[in-house]
Amino acid sequence: EAEVAQSPRYKITEKSQAVAFWCDPISGHATLYWYRQILGQGPELLVQFQDESVVDDSQLPKDRFSAERLKGVDSTLKIQPAELGDSAMYLCASSAPGDTEAFFGQGTRLTVV
Amino acid sequence: SQQGEEDPQALSIQEGENATMNCSYKTSINNLQWYRQNSGRGLVHLILIRSNEREKHSGRLRVTLDTSKKSSSLLITASRAADTASYFCAANTGNQFYFGTGTSLTVIP
Repeated sequence: EAEVAQSPRYKITEKSQAVAFWCDPISGHATLYWYRQILGQGPELLVQFQDESVVDDSQLPKDRFSAERLKGVDSTLKIQPAELGDSAMYLCASSAPGDTEAFFGQGTRLTVV
Repeated sequence: SQQGEEDPQALSIQEGENATMNCSYKTSINNLQWYRQNSGRGLVHLILIRSNEREKHSGRLRVTLDTSKKSSSLLITASRAADTASYFCAANTGNQFYFGTGTSLTVIP
């Protein structure tokens, strides 16, 4: 069964260091989302891609976060420098066009110490 | 920012009982979806109800939608210990998904 792949599953980093997360969506899904989920809360959208183009990055803290999807397939989310408040689960999801569901990866649990 | 709220925030029931959770959202939608999340894992899609539908069933799940009140409810019947998880509603505008704050459900064996 097709699934969204994310790596790493867990990441511990020191504050001020750089960290990167990778996501490979389901084949053929043009839309890719990165969400941040703080413990006990719902996912909040950081950035949305349609193919290789950014559709919405209004909630992305652009001074430290960047995201790319160069060939319109897999994507990387980077944080530099990481701050303590960035500790959260980072979820990637993808969806097909139309009235469909989003498929989520297992997420990357980031802990900044 | 979150576009939806769920209530209750937490719910604890005995196995075999029914669980009802409610969702309110703020935007106009194409559909409303419910997702489940086990601790430390990604979200799994449960059911989708379109804006022109009022009720939908899938197995032990029943979802209702009232677009005039911008609200939805999810009913899980005959709950099982394995239903223990967090449940989120997601308002789909056609372009984006806006998730609620979630209901944490505990089913006691």
